[in-house]
Amino acid sequence: EVQLLESGGALVQPGGSLRLSCAASGFTFRSYAMTWVRQAPGKGLEWVSHITASGGNTNYADSVKGRFTISRDNSKSTLFLQMNSLRTEDTAVYYCAKGGFWEVLRVWGQGTLATVSS
Amino acid sequence: EIVLTQSPGTLSLSPGERATLSCRASQSISSSYLAWYQQKPGQAPRLLIYGASSRATGIPDRFSGSGSGTDFTLTISRLEPEDFAVYYCQQYGSSLTFGGGTKVEIK
Repeated sequence: EVQLLESGGALVQPGGSLRLSCAASGFTFRSYAMTWVRQAPGKGLEWVSHITASGGNTNYADSVKGRFTISRDNSKSTLFLQMNSLRTEDTAVYYCAKGGFWEVLRVWGQGTLATVSS
Repeated sequence: EIVLTQSPGTLSLSPGERATLSCRASQSISSSYLAWYQQKPGQAPRLLIYGASSRATGIPDRFSGSGSGTDFTLTISRLEPEDFAVYYCQQYGSSLTFGGGTKVEIK
């Protein structure tokens, strides 16, 4: 069974940092692009970042560019999102998903909540 | 950036009725890269339709997708109680964008 399990969400003060992880299982992780999508409380879905299967190419939404870094460890089937200079508007449930540009988001994790508040 | 506009924002219907949800793109997109997702409260989104009209694995045939260019439609032929949820369209070509969502609620 294909599974994605996010972790790392927490309460952090504005200006702080968080590192989210997404552990993948049930498929050949190194063969697929991966994506982070977030959802602020009571709001819709917002694409955050995308990384190719090899990790050689990354893309970011304008709202997080320069502050967030996506990466992956294919040897451990794990996706990461390093979030720096956090703002209150970054408060959201963060989902990882299998797929990305040119590949539909076929499988999603259950999400992890990042709360930015003083 | 391609903007996706979904309408209506809320659809109030009864079980057994037909639901028609619209997704309009700000510029033409390839139908190969248009998807629909369902999200229930407290749950992650679930893929329903990809390539504008192909049902994902395990999705009942009461769900169907159609459209091309800038206008796409998700149709639920007869609403079941478990279908009341929020639905999002998404384009996944050279960028990734989501529509604002349509909530299908019980009338």
